[in-house]
Amino acid sequence: DAGVTQSPTHLIKTRGQHVTLRCSPISGHKSVSWYQQVLGQGPQFIFQYYEKEERGRGNFPDRFSARQFPNYSSELNVNALLLGDSALYLCASSPGSEGVYGYTFGSGTRLTVV
Amino acid sequence: SQQGEEDPQALSIQEGENATMNCSYKTSINNLQWYRQNSGRGLVHLILIRSNEREKHSGRLRVTLDTSKKSSSLLITASRAADTASYFCATRNNQGGKLIFGQGTELSVKP
Repeated sequence: DAGVTQSPTHLIKTRGQHVTLRCSPISGHKSVSWYQQVLGQGPQFIFQYYEKEERGRGNFPDRFSARQFPNYSSELNVNALLLGDSALYLCASSPGSEGVYGYTFGSGTRLTVV
Repeated sequence: SQQGEEDPQALSIQEGENATMNCSYKTSINNLQWYRQNSGRGLVHLILIRSNEREKHSGRLRVTLDTSKKSSSLLITASRAADTASYFCATRNNQGGKLIFGQGTELSVKP
């Protein structure tokens, strides 16, 4: 079984540009969450989607948006990139919305904004 | 903002020794989870302990939870060089699936 897959693995963007990150959850998992991890810190919650509906939003500006598709894959979009958006972006999947057994994380997308 | 703190921030031990990491959190929780991260890549789920549990074991891992003190500890027994990684605790409350992570403990196990 494939785990959680994220693409791309690395990305370099210029300030002001837009970026789209993609995540495919484990087959059968209906919940996808996004986290941002700045170097030296723990991951910070951005969004959770379950059955294509937003179930939670972290303390991030409106430049950050996401959606979930009918096949449960997800995209995270960030507009008007800032240097401070440079981070590892992690996607996590779980069967249900509550993650009662824990989450499976992908390997992440390393975003560098220059 | 982070839920709480992990202690120590960094830990260096010899192979075969035990490693203990502590985690404190601020609000009431549904469960607490521990994750491992190698070299800034994806997180690997290690163990989950529910708020009504006090201790849990999984292989060489032992987790304790004290909800009165809002703290947890992760013990890795008979450590190996391959255990070298960052370890994070994460809490989930009763309102949805959001995880709140600590700052992490960087463990180095020397052969």
